[in-house]
Amino acid sequence: QITLKESDPTLVKPTQTLTLTCTFSGFSLSTSGVGLGWIRQPPGKALEWLALIYWDDDKRYSPSLRSRLTITKDTSRNQVVLTMTNMDPVDTATYFCAHEAAGDYFDYWGQGTVVTVSS
Amino acid sequence: QSVLTQPPSASGTPGQRVTISCSGSSSSIGSNYVSWYQQLPGTAPRLLIYGNNQRPSGVPDRFSGSKSGTSASLAISGLRSEDEADYYCAAWDDSLTWVFGGGTKLTVL
Repeated sequence: QITLKESDPTLVKPTQTLTLTCTFSGFSLSTSGVGLGWIRQPPGKALEWLALIYWDDDKRYSPSLRSRLTITKDTSRNQVVLTMTNMDPVDTATYFCAHEAAGDYFDYWGQGTVVTVSS
Repeated sequence: QSVLTQPPSASGTPGQRVTISCSGSSSSIGSNYVSWYQQLPGTAPRLLIYGNNQRPSGVPDRFSGSKSGTSASLAISGLRSEDEADYYCAAWDDSLTWVFGGGTKLTVL
């Protein structure tokens, strides 16, 4: 059974760096074809894809946020970390991590974690 | 602004059939599979359709997906009150990014 869980809700100040951890079980990020992505959702708004990391450490980023994002994996600890620099109140959102299957869809999602950006 | 275009809202009465459209481009829907997600209030999205028209185990056959050219559709037949939710389409884009639709809020009247 695949499960994913994001780190606890957090409050960050503008200009600070956000670090989010996704801890997963039921699959390995060293298995060929496996990916893990981050998607966020501002309050009352749509889903927005942020980043993706593959089993071979290939990484993809949203073009609009590329300069602020870094995604890394720790295969031994079954964790993926997303960092976002220079946080702004518009980055306030629920952040989800999700298992990407076969490069075609996200079949398992974490429950999401609320990130609030405020001074 | 989302890359995939969905109507912001849709509605139907119990038992009806409703469809939700999703319009993309040749580099997204035109070249790759479409997936659909259901999001109930306060919960994480749930995979509803993958590979344009495949249902994961546990998804009722009332839900169906289709794709033609650069557009896709989600159909819900025999509408139920518990289908009231937000629905999102998504697809990989050949620019090596994922793209999502802006979401459609389905109301069961």
